[in-house]
Amino acid sequence: DTGVSQNPRHKITKRGQNVTFRCDPISEHNRLYWYRQTLGQGPEFLTYFQNEAQLEKSRLLSDRFSAERPKGSFSTLEIQRTEQGDSAMYLCASSLDESRSPLHFGNGTRLTVT
Amino acid sequence: AQSVAQPEDQVNVAEGNPLTVKCTYSVSGNPYLFWYVQYPNRGLQFLLKYITGDNLVKGSYGFEAEFNKSQTSFHLKKPSALVSDSALYFCAVRPPFHSSASKIIFGSGTRLSIRP
Repeated sequence: DTGVSQNPRHKITKRGQNVTFRCDPISEHNRLYWYRQTLGQGPEFLTYFQNEAQLEKSRLLSDRFSAERPKGSFSTLEIQRTEQGDSAMYLCASSLDESRSPLHFGNGTRLTVT
Repeated sequence: AQSVAQPEDQVNVAEGNPLTVKCTYSVSGNPYLFWYVQYPNRGLQFLLKYITGDNLVKGSYGFEAEFNKSQTSFHLKKPSALVSDSALYFCAVRPPFHSSASKIIFGSGTRLSIRP
């Protein structure tokens, strides 16, 4: 078990372009979460999967954002028509299917929109 | 509204001295409480948690945290700080019996700086 893996580590894109990030959770974890973190702030919840089902989406997640977890394993987060305000660290986390279980975070994908 | 407060943006401690990073919360019921640490350009790393039982919980790297129900606090402590403890620390709270992931509330973080 190598922990939660996120790719790419860094992404620089021009405003208006689409980007896609990938997250590979810890294999036995069936919960998967996406968070966004800006400098000096704590993580902000974006969305959450239990297996392949997307159970919750934050109001922060505009129509330009979409996330999938097609086979209940890895997940992708796509941002369409990126804006400068989308620049942030995007964190993926996974956990066991229990509220007492801590989140295990990946190292994040840092997005810079120019 | 439910919230988590980390009142200090930064804590500075000399190496070898004890350290405390404060966290207070406003959540109904008996929440689950967590501490995470974040090193530069890395994700958050779980340190310790309080679910129930003994108010003093021990975690990774010699850290411990004390749960105080009457003060609704969960302060992170270490008896003797190391320079390598310098990082960003986040307190997180999850209301009990709530499967909603969006209800995990993170504090704004405290930057811990240990000087040699």
